[in-house]
Amino acid sequence: EIQMTQSPSSLSASIGDRVTITCRAAQGIDNFLNWYQQKPGKAPKVLIYATSRLQSGVPSRFSASGSGTDFTLTISNLQPEDFATYYCQQSYTTPHSSFGQGTKLEIK
Amino acid sequence: QVQLVQSGAEVKRPGASVQISCKASGYTLTSFLMHWVRQTPGHGLEWIGMIIPSSGSSMSAPNVQGRLTMNWDPSTRTFYMDMNSLTSADSGVYFCARLTAPWHFYDFWGQGTPVTVSS
Repeated sequence: EIQMTQSPSSLSASIGDRVTITCRAAQGIDNFLNWYQQKPGKAPKVLIYATSRLQSGVPSRFSASGSGTDFTLTISNLQPEDFATYYCQQSYTTPHSSFGQGTKLEIK
Repeated sequence: QVQLVQSGAEVKRPGASVQISCKASGYTLTSFLMHWVRQTPGHGLEWIGMIIPSSGSSMSAPNVQGRLTMNWDPSTRTFYMDMNSLTSADSGVYFCARLTAPWHFYDFWGQGTPVTVSS
């Protein structure tokens, strides 16, 4: 299993801020990196797939980049509904994918 | 519209078995793989298994292999996972999730089924 490490584990920000979350894979995963948002009591929801492709219906304030082992998710102009936990997932080794430990984004 | 609707919360004793169902609608079931992902306090989000509806073949993660069985019923469009020999480490929320190709991400998820294993 490829270990995925996210940082930070938690983050405080204000409405309108720009935040960046990073995800590092223990080995190269090409562009098979996905980002999910999860709110309490709900299933994760895909935001970004294939490193930088925005899933249909996801606001354009979400963007992502990276390659190989290092990836980032950026949220610009934070909105109240963006406060949630974010997970990266490598799908390079599908079916046995693996997730990061999560980054909890809280309101400052 | 695609929907995955899971069965309700379960409370089990250690050593017992649990079955979770996931009823799918809104798409051709044989065109997508169905995966099972769980979220536990100890391991966060963790892939545990998948089934290929077109063949019925399945694969499970090494840490649950031998304890996890997956199948599906085309007549009711329902997927099932059965896990036996439960321990407290299996407590968490279990999700079914549809895998979409070619980039292999989960585009639709069930709402989750909480499983509590406690004596």
